[in-house]
Formats: sequence, structure tokens, C-alpha cells
Amino acid sequence: ETGVTQSPTHLIKTRGQQVTLRCSSQSGHNTVSWYQQALGQGPQFIFQYYREEENGRGNFPPRFSGLQFPNYSSELNVNALELDDSALYLCASSSGLAGAQETQYFGPGTRLLVL
Amino acid sequence: SQKIEQNSEALNIQEGKTATLTCNYTNYSPAYLQWYRQDPGRGPVFLLLIRENEKEKRKERLKVTFDTTLKQSLFHITASQPADSATYLCALGEDYGNNRLAFGKGNQVVVIP
Repeated sequence: ETGVTQSPTHLIKTRGQQVTLRCSSQSGHNTVSWYQQALGQGPQFIFQYYREEENGRGNFPPRFSGLQFPNYSSELNVNALELDDSALYLCASSSGLAGAQETQYFGPGTRLLVL
Repeated sequence: SQKIEQNSEALNIQEGKTATLTCNYTNYSPAYLQWYRQDPGRGPVFLLLIRENEKEKRKERLKVTFDTTLKQSLFHITASQPADSATYLCALGEDYGNNRLAFGKGNQVVVIP
């Protein structure tokens, strides 16, 4: 186990609703990244938080937003849910930003189904 | 457009043989490349990292090569075991100071006892 936890594990929502997903990073890690993984696809980068500030964003609309708290845990919020938002949402934590040195540890993910 | 291509067909391989997976990329300039293992319903697990100036990396039964001229990485599992059955993802990072990753779709490996 990586020490990264996510909640809830599964979630069912309907179109137009809003959802909040949570991630608790590994102890000592100050960087959290969120990824969306549709069925049969690789993870796609949504955004990253470093010391409570957003530090890079992928090609996702503004209805995807996030927060990082002083204890470095994080939330992903998605408003106005669409059917295509159905996916596994992964968070990954690391102890810094240097991708060539810092291993990222992924959580087990939250499986979101939008009906 | 940018692409990271991994074979969509599952690789079925006899136990004890070497599994070789390919990752080809287009319109990326990776500073480093990582390989992950993902089991069904689980998050990816980091396996190996190779930087743009490195040709080969090894870790136990795993070997990765990186050819920036061919824009390709090869991932080898030697002496494969049924426990190696999983999906393997390659991921590119374009900035040493940023750990934002672009992933391929993954390639499933099935090791037959």
C-alpha cells in the first residue's frame, strides 16, 4: 500500500449534480496531482497542487476545481456532471515537484458513475 | 497532435519467458519516462524511471530502454511469473522541475503458467 487514501471508493451521481472527491496524501508529501482515467484509457492529468497552490492544469474545463489543505490533503470538485465524467479518479502524492527525482504514489482511486 | 502509443492487444506469454512492451510517442520532448504497473481496480504503481540522457535502466527482473531518436521506450520483464500479469503504463514527463505526467493507454500482460 502507498499510504495515499481516497474517499469514497465508489460513487453514483446523475447528470447536472456536483461531486467532491477526497485524497489524503502520504505522510510528508506536499504535492498532490489528480488524474482522470476513463475505462480502457491511461490516466489524464487534471491539475496539481503544491503547498496549497495550484501548480499546473491539464485540458479540463473550469467546472473541475480543487483545493489543497494545510495538512496537504486535497479535494477535487466537479460541477454540472456530464455522462463523460464517468471514470476512475486518481490522486497521486509526492514530496516535491521534481519529476525526475520524486516518485509519485497513487491512491486506489474513486470510481465515479454518472447516470 | 501529441500521442503516446502502447499496443492495445494483450501480450500472452509463457512463464519464464521475457515479456517486451513498446511505448512510442509523437510530438513530445520528454525529459524523462516512467513505467507503472496497474492491477484491475487499483491505482498505478511506480516501477522505473529513465531520463532522456540514459539509454538503459534495470531493476531486478525489469529493464527499460529509451531511444529519443526513435522516440521509443522498451520495457522488458525477464523470467516472467504469473504474478507479473497486469497492465503496464508508460508515462512521459517533459519538465525536470514538474512531475506532471502524460500516460499511454497501457498494455496488458498475461503470464501463462
